[in-house]
Amino acid sequence: ILNVEQSPQSLHVQEGDSTNFTCSFPSSNFYALHWYRWETAKSPEALFVMTLNGDEKKKGRISATLNTKEGYSYLYIKGSQPEDSATYLCAPFHAGNNRKLIWGLGTSLAVNP
Amino acid sequence: DSGVTQTPKHLITATGQRVTLRCSPRSGDLSVYWYQQSLDQGLQFLIQYYNGEERAKGNILERFSAQQFPDLHSELNLSSLELGDSALYFCASSVGGGRNEKLFFGSGTQLSVL
Repeated sequence: ILNVEQSPQSLHVQEGDSTNFTCSFPSSNFYALHWYRWETAKSPEALFVMTLNGDEKKKGRISATLNTKEGYSYLYIKGSQPEDSATYLCAPFHAGNNRKLIWGLGTSLAVNP
Repeated sequence: DSGVTQTPKHLITATGQRVTLRCSPRSGDLSVYWYQQSLDQGLQFLIQYYNGEERAKGNILERFSAQQFPDLHSELNLSSLELGDSALYFCASSVGGGRNEKLFFGSGTQLSVL
């Protein structure tokens, strides 16, 4: 069973603060890494899908990097806003893992105005 | 709005009963996924269909079954329900089910087994 770890488990920041979270996963047989944003009372929404070592993706104030050799990805939020409050999930896709994403438990972010 | 429709939104039933959850994927998406979200658990993958055929299977119990119909909508059948089956069940869809395709999630069905 693959182990996907996300840290921290939860985070409270002030509006305007920049923050980052980590997703760690086994580096062997890696195919792709997904990041999703899950607001309370809504459904998960895709942010990024990254496949290559060194990939960087950006969407507004949110960006992500990928290191497939060491098995981690960082998600950065610049100048956090209250509307960024959500749980951020990562899910790697590995070969030979019955073709499915393995989801982390997420980092819960609360941005105080 | 993701374009994925799940019904019903809420379902309350008793132990031992059987229920059917329904999912309509986004227009054009051929692949449908079912997930279970329980308290303190991450998203647990149940099963994936692609164009009517089962593509991948997760930790789906034998009491649970699913299918994807020719019109691409999917149903998840849960039978002999137990208290522990109470959870939020999500359906998601993607164009082709590839590893680097984003999933689009429905709003979920909250199942309560009493």
